[in-house]
Amino acid sequence: QKEVEQDPGPLSVPEGAIVSLNCTYSNSAFQYFMWYRQYSRKGPELLMYTYSSGNKEDGRFTAQVDKSSKYISLFIRDSQPSDSATYLCAMAKTAGNKLTFGGGTRVLVKP
Amino acid sequence: GAVVSQHPSWVICKSGTSVKIECRSLDFQATTMFWYRQFPKQSLMLMATSNEGSKATYEQGVEKDKFLINHASLTLSTLTVTSAHPEDSSFYICSAGDPAGARLNEQFFGPGTRLTVL
Repeated sequence: QKEVEQDPGPLSVPEGAIVSLNCTYSNSAFQYFMWYRQYSRKGPELLMYTYSSGNKEDGRFTAQVDKSSKYISLFIRDSQPSDSATYLCAMAKTAGNKLTFGGGTRVLVKP
Repeated sequence: GAVVSQHPSWVICKSGTSVKIECRSLDFQATTMFWYRQFPKQSLMLMATSNEGSKATYEQGVEKDKFLINHASLTLSTLTVTSAHPEDSSFYICSAGDPAGARLNEQFFGPGTRLTVL
């Protein structure tokens, strides 16, 4: 069993819809949670960064962390075709530690 | 955010040759850089952690004599794929953390290097 599980998709939504992504994890030691967006043949780009449990909002993006359930989510409101990409969740246990990535979810936003 | 560059962006080489990939932090000093490998439609696989002034820490299953890592300065780490073979063809991505940054564990990724071994 992988430490971090993420549905590979693809997740196809119409333009303007809400995109809902999530990851589950097994190790309760994870404290730092991140979401990255990766376009084809490019490096990942950080979207959201959260420490411990709670919600965080940044523009059209909302990240949620539920440590009791070992479950994190990313919501994208008013989705655009330019949001079509692979979204990766990542986690770290302590400061300066390496990241453990989920497998990534491919998202397609259709005009 | 901080900027990380990689060079070259793509490289094609013959089997048996060695290829060097550079990773630079352009506007911050990175004491630690990470090297990842990514196969098509798969996630990033951490290969090694590169520490400035000391030996790299390799993940289990990664051959350190095959993938040589040198972190010569606070802004430069290099990955050399020695005696490359077609199975080494992949997308190699580096990342760096900014120790002076406000967010711990935040890593900035380079644009990646696509290696094709013929």
